[in-house]
Amino acid sequence: KNQVEQSPQSLIILEGKNCTLQCNYTVSPFSNLRWYKQDTGRGPVSLTIMTFSENTKSNGRYTATLDADTKQSSLHITASQLSDSASYICVVSALGGSYIPTFGRGTSLIVHP
Amino acid sequence: DAGITQSPRHKVTETGTPVTLRCHQTENHRYMYWYRQDPGHGLRLIHYSYGVKDTDKGEVSDGYSVSRSKTEDFLLTLESATSSQTSVYFCAISGQAEETQYFGPGTRLLVL
Repeated sequence: KNQVEQSPQSLIILEGKNCTLQCNYTVSPFSNLRWYKQDTGRGPVSLTIMTFSENTKSNGRYTATLDADTKQSSLHITASQLSDSASYICVVSALGGSYIPTFGRGTSLIVHP
Repeated sequence: DAGITQSPRHKVTETGTPVTLRCHQTENHRYMYWYRQDPGHGLRLIHYSYGVKDTDKGEVSDGYSVSRSKTEDFLLTLESATSSQTSVYFCAISGQAEETQYFGPGTRLLVL
């Protein structure tokens, strides 16, 4: 069964600090991995997408890494801001047009001033 | 924002009554999804559609049915609402299954 596990479940940091969120998956055969950001009361929005051949991808202060061999990904947030407070969801897709992506449960990040 | 809307945005209903939620898109995307989101569970797939009149079950489909008679509309029906179906419901769309999903604003449903 395809699974996506995220850690930690929740995280509290001070504004300006860095943090790293983890995602482990068992989805196979692997197609791509996305990180979504979900602000409170809103639908998730895609931050990054990574395919098998990509190791690192940045989107502003967000940097995602992928190790396809160990089936792990991380999302690193640099110089956190209050607006980074949200849930971050890891989503993994399998090869084959009919496979529905597998969602992780998300990491809830709170940034305190 | 992707052209995706949900209606109603909020609904309060009583146990045993039927409820229909509507998802409407203007992007002509092939795939449409219904998720529910509850504390501690994340997003869980209820049903999805891969074309007009083509639908399939997700991991939490019991008590729900769907219909898609037009590309742009995907309806979620609770035939007889129960308190366990109190949740936030999100609709999403994508061009293909492995592509980015674009989510609607959500519908908050309270079943008393």
